[in-house]
Parts: sequence; C-alpha cells; structure tokens
Amino acid sequence: AAGVIQSPRHLIKEKRETATLKCYPIPRHDTVYWYQQGPGQDPQFLISFYEKMQSDKGSIPDRFSAQQFSDYHSELNMSSLELGDSALYFCASRHRGTGGTGELFFGEGSRLTVL
Amino acid sequence: QKEVEQDPGPLSVPEGAIVSLNCTYSNSAFQYFMWYRQYSRKGPELLMYTYSSGNKEDGRFTAQVDKSSKYISLFIRDSQPSDSATYLCAMGVGAAGNKLTFGGGTRVLVKP
Repeated sequence: AAGVIQSPRHLIKEKRETATLKCYPIPRHDTVYWYQQGPGQDPQFLISFYEKMQSDKGSIPDRFSAQQFSDYHSELNMSSLELGDSALYFCASRHRGTGGTGELFFGEGSRLTVL
Repeated sequence: QKEVEQDPGPLSVPEGAIVSLNCTYSNSAFQYFMWYRQYSRKGPELLMYTYSSGNKEDGRFTAQVDKSSKYISLFIRDSQPSDSATYLCAMGVGAAGNKLTFGGGTRVLVKP
C-alpha cells in the first residue's frame, strides 16, 4: 500500500540558509500535518492543511511557512535556519471521509541538520 | 503540565512477557486514541486506533480506553525483541485538520 512520501530524507544546511521539505500524502488523503521531533522528544505539531487551506497552527516559528497544493502535496519552507532547527520533520496524512477523526499515517521523516 | 502524560521508561521485559503501557490525559474532549511504535530515526508506525471508550484487539496488541478515568492502555502479548522501540500514545478531538496530541513516549526493551 502507498505510504506518505517525504523528500529529501536527509538535508544538511548552514545557519541562515533556507530549506524546503516536501510531502506527498497517501492517495485520496486530503489533510496533511507537519510535526517536528527533536532528539529524545515526542513529535511537536507545527501546522496542518485541509483541502489546501491551513486548518490548525501549532508551535511553528515565523521563519517557517507551509502550503498545500492542488495535488494535495505539501511543502514546508524554513528560512534563516538556526542550529535549534536540527530535527526530524514528519509529515502525516489522513482522509476527510473519516470525519477528521480517523487514522493518521506518518512518513519516514526528513532529517535536517543545521551546521 | 502536559495534556497527555506517559512514563518515559525505559521498560525492560524478558522475551515472551506481556508489555503494559499507558497514558493519562486531561482534556475530556479527546475522542479518538492511537498508539504508534517508533524505531530510532524512523517515522511513527500506527499500531492501534480506537474511537471513544472500549477495547480493541489486533493480533498480539490490545488497546483499552477508559474515558471516565482519562486513561488509555496498550498491551503487547508474547513480546519479541523486535518489539523493542518507543511507543507513543496520541489522541485528538476531531474535525478535519485537527491535530494529534502526543504523549512523550515510553521506551521498551524486550530482552531475549
């Protein structure tokens, strides 16, 4: 079965640079979530999109922005990178038909290292 | 205090034993509950999904939800060394786009 696809899997950037992460949800899933997970921590919610509109916002820095496109894939843009942005970034998706309470599936994550 | 509390462990058990995990929460609006397994540097893998109170069984896994006590549990029978991972509980209120709130995760080590 198709899963959530994230790219790139690994990314190394320097401070003050910009990074873009991409997420391709499971086919027919219309809701996408972004989470950030630091070492030894649980995933922290950043932002979510439903039908290409931002639906919820968590602890996402102002330096970050995201959007969901017409094909439902999503991109997370991170600017002015800081050392503390080094983390695993997960994308997750679900299908609206479940009423927004259904199973949420995660991708394998993108590991960002800021030097 | 976090909305969802989970003992970080580590929880060490011998192979074949029952692993018992639990989470408590404070938000009575949570409607659905999930358990994820996460191996190091990998994405969370959905193990169990439960809507509202009750029990659910799937193979070696049993999930229990007690909304009156704001307490959920996951039991793993006949544990294997491959079950060694971090187990995360997660829960949500509902409505499309609504986020999941995670517990901090419990690290489990199953010794052969």
